[in-house]
Amino acid sequence: QSVLTQPPSVSAAPGQKVTISCSGSDSNIGKNHVSWYQQLPGTAPKLLIYENDKRPSGIPDRFSGSKSGTSATLGITGLQTGDEADYYCGTWDSSLTAVLFGGGTKLTVL
Amino acid sequence: EVQLVQSGAEVKKPGESLKISCKGSGYSFSIYWIAWVRQMPGKGLEWMGIIYPGDSDTRYNPSFQGQVTISADKFISTAYLQWSSLKASDTAMYFCARSTDFSGKSNYWGQGTLVTVSS
Repeated sequence: QSVLTQPPSVSAAPGQKVTISCSGSDSNIGKNHVSWYQQLPGTAPKLLIYENDKRPSGIPDRFSGSKSGTSATLGITGLQTGDEADYYCGTWDSSLTAVLFGGGTKLTVL
Repeated sequence: EVQLVQSGAEVKKPGESLKISCKGSGYSFSIYWIAWVRQMPGKGLEWMGIIYPGDSDTRYNPSFQGQVTISADKFISTAYLQWSSLKASDTAMYFCARSTDFSGKSNYWGQGTLVTVSS
């Protein structure tokens, strides 16, 4: 069981919007930046969001991130079938002195 | 172009040793941290530890301390992850990833090395 809690799955129709939550604590999300990753089946994770709400170059603005207190949220608008993947949040935990990842959320685009 | 290229899949028996590699190119290897991440079959990501190739400063996730050894050779731009005695529970995909800090932000990843430990 991960210290960062994500819903196991979310789903929405093409073109719709979905949000994925990541709940932590004072020692991780509460104190440190959050990153979000997309992992397509059989591939390495891909950075979507860093420092809570910044997008690396090449990541479309359909993907957004936010953080409030000890929780973070990934938003995806204009859903496409190619967005079907596992999504992970990640952050440093100052007490455990390790990077933590959430358990992952499987996105299904119906 | 920044690339991290990992060594190929391995099949080992319990008790055997193993060292897998991650070779960086397209950037100054010494000045970026390299993290190792485990993904067990059908499971999520687990951060194992990180090394700074410039001076081999290494930090381990306490959950993996003593279970693996992370090292690097800056002269050949390669980082390593090794086990002295593999267990069946070490069966997993292992990724290396370039990081600028300890925030968990890694925008370049290797393709992964599948390690299978079975008698």
